[in-house]
Amino acid sequence: DAGVTQSPTHLIKTRGQQVTLRCSPKSGHDTVSWYQQALGQGPQFIFQYYEEEERQRGNFPDRFSGHQFPNYSSELNVNALLLGDSALYLCASTETPRYGYTFGSGTRLTVV
Amino acid sequence: AQSVTQPDIHITVSEGASLELRCNYSYGATPYLFWYVQSPGQGLQLLLKYFSGDTLVQGIKGFEAEFKRSQSSFNLRKPSVHWSDAAEYFCAVSEGNAGNMLTFGGGTRLMVKP
Repeated sequence: DAGVTQSPTHLIKTRGQQVTLRCSPKSGHDTVSWYQQALGQGPQFIFQYYEEEERQRGNFPDRFSGHQFPNYSSELNVNALLLGDSALYLCASTETPRYGYTFGSGTRLTVV
Repeated sequence: AQSVTQPDIHITVSEGASLELRCNYSYGATPYLFWYVQSPGQGLQLLLKYFSGDTLVQGIKGFEAEFKRSQSSFNLRKPSVHWSDAAEYFCAVSEGNAGNMLTFGGGTRLMVKP
């Protein structure tokens, strides 16, 4: 059974560009969350999607947006990239949040 | 707002020695608590979780954690560390209801000496 799948694994973008990261949740999971993990820090919550709606949002600017599709997969979009957006972006899925989340291996974004 | 503190940034233990990683949280009600492990360049793997009942919870890989409400702590323990346990460990708290976002601590990097 595949877990959470994220693509791409790595990418390099130039400041000011836009990027889209993709996530396929674990089979049977309908809730998807996105986290940003800067080097040497713990993950920070970006937002969560359930039934194609953004259910909760962390303290991130509107440059960060997302989408969830009918098959529960999700995208994270970041516009007007800044150097400070360089981080590991983690997708996590669950069917029941209080039971914990399954995390993907992440997408390493480098902004130059 | 909820918060999590992991006071130890780095810990080094000898293989076979016991381990305790500290976690303190700040949250008004009874939180849902989690420990995750992250190997270099990888995502996070759930070790164990607590949301009610017995305050001593068992997890995978021989880990356990104890919830102490009076101390707002949820420390992770292992009686005998293996070299493969070297990784970054994160404690996290969730409100457990609507939203259910995880708030993570800064992590503790565990190094294991042969």
